[in-house]
Amino acid sequence: AQKVTQAQTEISVVEKEDVTLDCVYETRDTTYYLFWYKQPPSGELVFLIRRNSFDEQNEISGRYSWNFQKSTSSFNFTITASQVVDSAVYFCALKGNKLTFGTGTQLKVEL
Amino acid sequence: GAGVSQTPSNKVTEKGKYVELRCDPISGHTALYWYRQSLGQGPEFLIYFQGTGAADDSGLPNDRFFAVRPEGSVSTLKIQRTERGDSAVYLCASSLGTSGSGSEQFFGPGTRLTVL
Repeated sequence: AQKVTQAQTEISVVEKEDVTLDCVYETRDTTYYLFWYKQPPSGELVFLIRRNSFDEQNEISGRYSWNFQKSTSSFNFTITASQVVDSAVYFCALKGNKLTFGTGTQLKVEL
Repeated sequence: GAGVSQTPSNKVTEKGKYVELRCDPISGHTALYWYRQSLGQGPEFLIYFQGTGAADDSGLPNDRFFAVRPEGSVSTLKIQRTERGDSAVYLCASSLGTSGSGSEQFFGPGTRLTVL
């Protein structure tokens, strides 16, 4: 069985602070994919990143960066210099044969 | 736009009624997925189509739920004898590759179903 745990239910930060969203996963598959999606107040899920289980290289895209640690089954997401527009619910997801989502972390960025 | 579209955006119905929710995937995407998202939760998988066939329907909660994709494009999720517990946002997604691939899924805006 697959499981994704996002222990942080809600995080509040002040604009320009850095923030890290945690994601821990469980799977018996040797080949799998990890995703992060953003769900703004409008409700539509927006794809952010995909990593496969064989590629542990960390990735940076603008203010976003991802740290994949297979040894600890974690795939954490960091936003640098957060902005109010980053306010949303962020979901981590794991895909073996189907996509399993965590419960999400509500990020609130305030002025 | 060329994204996934879902209709209606909102549906209010009474307990015991039948509802149909429609999903129009991105053109050319062979894989189509339905999810259900309850308040404060992540989306939960319901069913996956590859082409016209339901390749995995293990997420359907019971036999009141059924989905079709007769021509391999548009899909309809059908719920019979609706119950208050069916109230949720129903999300549709499509992707280019098969379920086993890492193709990202593109999500529609969802249909908010409210059963009174």
